[in-house]
Amino acid sequence: DTAVSQTPKYLVTQMGNDKSIKCEQNLGHDTMYWYKQDSKKFLKIMFSYNNKELIINETVPNRFSPKSPDKAHLNLHINSLELGDSAVYFCASSQSDRTNQPQHFGDGTRLSIL
Amino acid sequence: KQEVTQIPAALSVPEGENLVLNCSFTDSAIYNLQWFRQDPGKGLTSLLLIQSSQREQTSGRLNASLDKSSGRSTLYIAASQPGDSATYLCAVYEGGADGLTFGKGTHLIIQP
Repeated sequence: DTAVSQTPKYLVTQMGNDKSIKCEQNLGHDTMYWYKQDSKKFLKIMFSYNNKELIINETVPNRFSPKSPDKAHLNLHINSLELGDSAVYFCASSQSDRTNQPQHFGDGTRLSIL
Repeated sequence: KQEVTQIPAALSVPEGENLVLNCSFTDSAIYNLQWFRQDPGKGLTSLLLIQSSQREQTSGRLNASLDKSSGRSTLYIAASQPGDSATYLCAVYEGGADGLTFGKGTHLIIQP
């Protein structure tokens, strides 16, 4: 069973569109994250979310918004897509109060803006 | 603000050599440090996690050390194999709902 799964794996769309990426974890973790890996392969945190708080990296445009319908899901919505949004987006999860456990990552969603 | 630096950015060595990848971080108030492997076009695979109270962790041919006070970690790979070729990422966790802060990675090529 895949621990953290993201869909779609590839997303190609036009500038200006609105799109969503779904993420689900079956690990029973209480915290989920979205990371962005840019063209230079640098990974950077975008959001972290548990049932208590949403932490937003200040560099993330407000066109990006996470939505969590339940504890096992954290979807990423992106409005008015721009060329610079092309990147690989990774979802991850962890049990935030257990620092001896690693974060588990999905396989990534490769977003290409035409 | 935490910053993580990895040296070298790229490394190419013949098969069979032992090698060391370096990671440094600016703020020593971390809960743990993780080493990941990323293959081209793939996700991240967690290799080792070292708690802030630990000094090293071992898994097979991999050994990771942590010197929290000096803000340094090393990943030692013994008897390297072509299958070890990948990008190795170091990341620190500062607790709570914070995400990981990553270095830019070391791109490793093991020549057959």
